[in-house]
Amino acid sequence: LAKTTQPISMDSYEGQEVNITCSHNNIATNDYITWYQQFPSQGPRFIIQGYKTKVTNEVASLFIPADRKSSTLSLPRVSLSDTAVYYCLVGDIRNYGQNFVFGPGTRLSVLP
Amino acid sequence: NAGVTQTPKFQVLKTGQSMTLQCAQDMNHEYMSWYRQDPGMGLRLIHYSVGAGITDQGEVPNGYNVSRSTTEDFPLRLLSAAPSQTSVYFCASSYSSGRDGDNEQFFGPGTRLTVL
Repeated sequence: LAKTTQPISMDSYEGQEVNITCSHNNIATNDYITWYQQFPSQGPRFIIQGYKTKVTNEVASLFIPADRKSSTLSLPRVSLSDTAVYYCLVGDIRNYGQNFVFGPGTRLSVLP
Repeated sequence: NAGVTQTPKFQVLKTGQSMTLQCAQDMNHEYMSWYRQDPGMGLRLIHYSVGAGITDQGEVPNGYNVSRSTTEDFPLRLLSAAPSQTSVYFCASSYSSGRDGDNEQFFGPGTRLTVL
């Protein structure tokens, strides 16, 4: 299983763009990169998933360089409600049990 | 749709007791899984199922049993509770369309379990 490394915590201010980088040096050919968000006392919530280059949806963008050894979750113009823990997962989405290995995540604090 | 539901929300057990954590989903998802989350940690996969009648072990299966007799339900059984099983338990479900960016897991609200 590809191991991921993320910063333990980050601080930001309302209205700023936040970029959280995840390292996954031993990512395999069939592995996808998925990001989840978790608020206190709730289950994680899916944010975005990608394989290569750039993926964008209504809440975030995911940038994946050509070598795929890292990825960056970009949250545009964060608000206080974006304060949460963000998890980067790497795994083969066709191999269900392998796909969901959660590390400790990045605790994002958005300040007013 | 109710999504993924879990019962109970809270439970206190004594060491050695057994119990079943219930999980149900109404989205007709093939895949279901159980995780535990300890304070300040990420989630760890206990057991998972890729369809009715099919289950497999995750990262931390010891002390837990599962079965999947229907698509909708995936109960988690603690055979003989130990203090080390004090944790928050999350159930999740998903489908797999095979399309990039379309393999989302939906999580339940969690069950907070304390074993004394």
